Amino acid sequence: AQKVTQAQTEISVVEKEDVTLDCVYETRDTTYYLFWYKQPPSGELVFLIRRNSFDEQNEISGRYSWNFQKSTSSFNFTITASQVVDSAVYFCALYNQGGKLIFGQGTELSVKP
Amino acid sequence: DAMVIQNPRYQVTQFGKPVTLSCSQTLNHNVMYWYQQKSSQAPKLLFHYYDKDFNNEADTPDNFQSRRPNTSFCFLDIRSPGLGDAAMYLCATSSSGGYNEQFFGPGTRLTVL
Repeated sequence: AQKVTQAQTEISVVEKEDVTLDCVYETRDTTYYLFWYKQPPSGELVFLIRRNSFDEQNEISGRYSWNFQKSTSSFNFTITASQVVDSAVYFCALYNQGGKLIFGQGTELSVKP
Repeated sequence: DAMVIQNPRYQVTQFGKPVTLSCSQTLNHNVMYWYQQKSSQAPKLLFHYYDKDFNNEADTPDNFQSRRPNTSFCFLDIRSPGLGDAAMYLCATSSSGGYNEQFFGPGTRLTVL
């Protein structure tokens, strides 16, 4: 079965706090790709990162960092020093040999000033 | 800037009255997707085109159809909208396979009266 689970439905933090969004996936394929997308209130999904299953290196991009661990089938996303503009729904997604993007249910992040 | 454009951004139709949503892209991507997203849910793939090849998801209702007259344009036709079809409709594109990141348009929010 191919599945993506984002257990946190909503998270609320105060500006400048660090926050981690969890993502756990299930797949039997050895080759797959993991994504994170951001959906601000305007509605457009914005691509943040793609990781393939053979690259477990963690990545940092500014205040964003991603921790990919195949051993636990997790691909967690951390925002350091959160800002109000980070408020959005964040989707983790899996692409595998099945040929389509499988989204998690999303985590709504609210960053309060 | 290369982008994915959706028109209109907001569409109101009456129960049973056919409606067409449009998507255009300047990215010259060969794959185009249509997703349906209902409130507080993940995007749900309806169908996609790989070049001219049409791929319908098994659970996409017959009420939904699509046309892709050329690389740049793709249309979503809802033949007889029901109240349950009220949703955000997202168009996305990618180069080659879906393992590449998908670029999303801003969406069309459909209201059915």
